[in-house]
Amino acid sequence: AQKVTQAQTEISVVEKEDVTLDCVYETRDTTYYLFWYKQPPSGELVFLIRRNSFDEQNEISGRYSWNFQKSTSSFNFTITASQVVDSAVYFCALSEREGNGSRLTFGEGTQLTVNP
Amino acid sequence: DTEVTQTPKHLVMGMTNKKSLKCEQHMGHRAMYWYKQKAKKPPELMFVYSYEKLSINESVPSRFSPECPNSSLLNLHLHALQPEDSALYLCASSQWDRSGNTIYFGEGSWLTVV
Repeated sequence: AQKVTQAQTEISVVEKEDVTLDCVYETRDTTYYLFWYKQPPSGELVFLIRRNSFDEQNEISGRYSWNFQKSTSSFNFTITASQVVDSAVYFCALSEREGNGSRLTFGEGTQLTVNP
Repeated sequence: DTEVTQTPKHLVMGMTNKKSLKCEQHMGHRAMYWYKQKAKKPPELMFVYSYEKLSINESVPSRFSPECPNSSLLNLHLHALQPEDSALYLCASSQWDRSGNTIYFGEGSWLTVV
C-alpha cells in the first residue's frame, strides 16, 4: 500500500522568510510519480510539480524548489522569500497507475500561513 | 486558469432534491475523476472514468451516480443526499504520455445539503 506523510500540519512564517514543507512517502512500486498541489481557500487544487521516480534531478521554478531524494523517500518543497499569496494548504501526493488513469494517495496537507 | 471547468461553483440542496454537478475539459484527456473533500482533509477518490467507461468506483453510495456522456464531459448526479455529504466535490482529468501522467483539477463545486 502507498502512503504519504506530511508531518507538518501547520506552519506560520513572516513574509520574506524561507519555508520548507516536508513530504515522506512509502511505495513498493519501482516506477512512481510524486506531486505537489496548492489549495488556496477558493478550493481549486493547483498543480505545482510532478516528479518521476526515475528522475532525481531537483527542480527550481522561480521562488519554488523541490528536493527529491529516493534514498530517504522524501520529496520536500521549499518556498524562498515567502509572500502572503503563498498562504494555502499544500498537498504532497503519490500516484499509481490504474489502467488509463491514476490513483492519487495524498498526504494530510500542510497549512501554510504567511503573515505580512 | 484551470482547463477543467466545473459548474455550479456553489450548490445548496435539500435531502429530497435531485441535482447534478457538471465537469468539462478540452485537453483531450481520456481519464476523468470525481473526488470528494471534507474540511481540513485531503481529497478522496470517488470515481474514475477511462475512455468513457467507469473503471473505479470506491464503494460510493448509490445516491451518487456518475455519468460520462463523452470524452470531454463528466457529470455527478445527486439524489437523496444526507447532510454529511456536504463537501467540496472536485473533478479532474489526466492522460498518460511517455513521461507520465499529471492529474489536473477543476475549481470544485461546494455542496451544502440541508
